Amino acid sequence: QAQLQESGPGLVQSSQTLSLTCTVSGDSISFQAHYWNWIRRPAGQGLQWIGRIYSSGSTDYNPSLKSRVSMSVDSSKWQFSLQMRSVTAADSALYFCARDRSVGDFDLWGQGVLVTVSS
Amino acid sequence: SYVLTQPPSVSVAPGNTATITCGGSTIGTQGIHWYQLKPGQAPLLVIYYETYRPSGIPERFSGSGSGNTATLTISSVEAADEADYFCQVWDSSSDHPYVFGTGTRVTVL
Repeated sequence: QAQLQESGPGLVQSSQTLSLTCTVSGDSISFQAHYWNWIRRPAGQGLQWIGRIYSSGSTDYNPSLKSRVSMSVDSSKWQFSLQMRSVTAADSALYFCARDRSVGDFDLWGQGVLVTVSS
Repeated sequence: SYVLTQPPSVSVAPGNTATITCGGSTIGTQGIHWYQLKPGQAPLLVIYYETYRPSGIPERFSGSGSGNTATLTISSVEAADEADYFCQVWDSSSDHPYVFGTGTRVTVL
């Protein structure tokens, strides 16, 4: 059964770049067949979809974040990554990676990684 | 993008029924999904496409819809059901294909 695990620094300086990686384990076929997403939840707030990437490298981003976000994929390592530039305190959140099984729902999630942006 | 509105909180006694609504102008035309979020755990898909329950999700969880409102119902509520619940829709033709509801905190009294 596939599992997702986020990794990356928990503290990022304001105006710098936030970089996170999600590793998919347990299901190599799944990696090639689904969309892989980043979603975040600021403290006390709701969920916000950040963007998604397919194994081919095709991406879609939330229009409100598009100018600062990029995603990449390394199929040989079963990993996909998020880079968010010029972060501010408003980007402090619990960041999740999640799988869309191509029907519009997220059937598999990581436990999340807490990222704090400090000034 | 549009907004999916949920009640901020629902309180329910153990054994009773919790009802969580999700309202939005396009709900009737899109598949709606529901998630359970607990601190320190991976979020869990509890209902997909309005009424379907993933494998392993108790039958106590059910979904329904009418007009522009979708509803998640938790029957015979247990302490373990205390969590935040979010609805979500998918619009494959949009440049913002995934939209989440505002979220509901379910408190088991």
